[in-house]
Amino acid sequence: NAGVTQTPKFQVLKTGQSMTLQCAQDMNHNSMYWYRQDPGMGLRLIYYSASEGTTDKGEVPNGYNVSRLNKREFSLRLESAAPSQTSVYFCASSGRGRFQLGYTFGSGTRLTVV
Amino acid sequence: LAKTTQPISMDSYEGQEVNITCSHNNIATNDYITWYQQFPSQGPRFIIQGYKTKVTNEVASLFIPADRKSSTLSLPRVSLSDTAVYYCLVGTYSGAGSYQLTFGKGTKLSVIP
Repeated sequence: NAGVTQTPKFQVLKTGQSMTLQCAQDMNHNSMYWYRQDPGMGLRLIYYSASEGTTDKGEVPNGYNVSRLNKREFSLRLESAAPSQTSVYFCASSGRGRFQLGYTFGSGTRLTVV
Repeated sequence: LAKTTQPISMDSYEGQEVNITCSHNNIATNDYITWYQQFPSQGPRFIIQGYKTKVTNEVASLFIPADRKSSTLSLPRVSLSDTAVYYCLVGTYSGAGSYQLTFGKGTKLSVIP
């Protein structure tokens, strides 16, 4: 099915370890986003990429880096994981014009940092 | 970015119409209103968007008054499968052809048999 694919679905890290969350979309969307969702909370924007070759910080960028590898792929890297980064991470993409608001989300990556 | 306020939770019986109202007092001229639905352990799903007046699709209706300081999502004849968290968001144009969406805590709708 067309959509947003995130890998891995689950991950446990030790404090200080690094990892990269992968995201790919096959809808030819220009914009891509990374959000995190803590228990009982709404989603908070970490980074976004309005178009291929550009990235910008969102609300909570500290401790993360991103790469817009090409139009399809947008990765999120944790350089030195901390327990405060335990969360569910969602990747999303959106198209142009009035379709900008219709984000398509992936199924999420559940990350636990111990 | 425009801030939104919506009820934390709502209960409804199956078959009833549910209206969830959201306030966004500082919405800007170029902002759009959008609503998302999220089931447990899933990513949010786009429901509907609008700028003013009324918008209807196969899932819901969205009512926006002339001053655009609030909006109401209407779900007709809810079923148990509509139990979810519903987010009201204001999409703010952030340049380079991109809109930013800021999620609040949403409204947890519980549909009772």
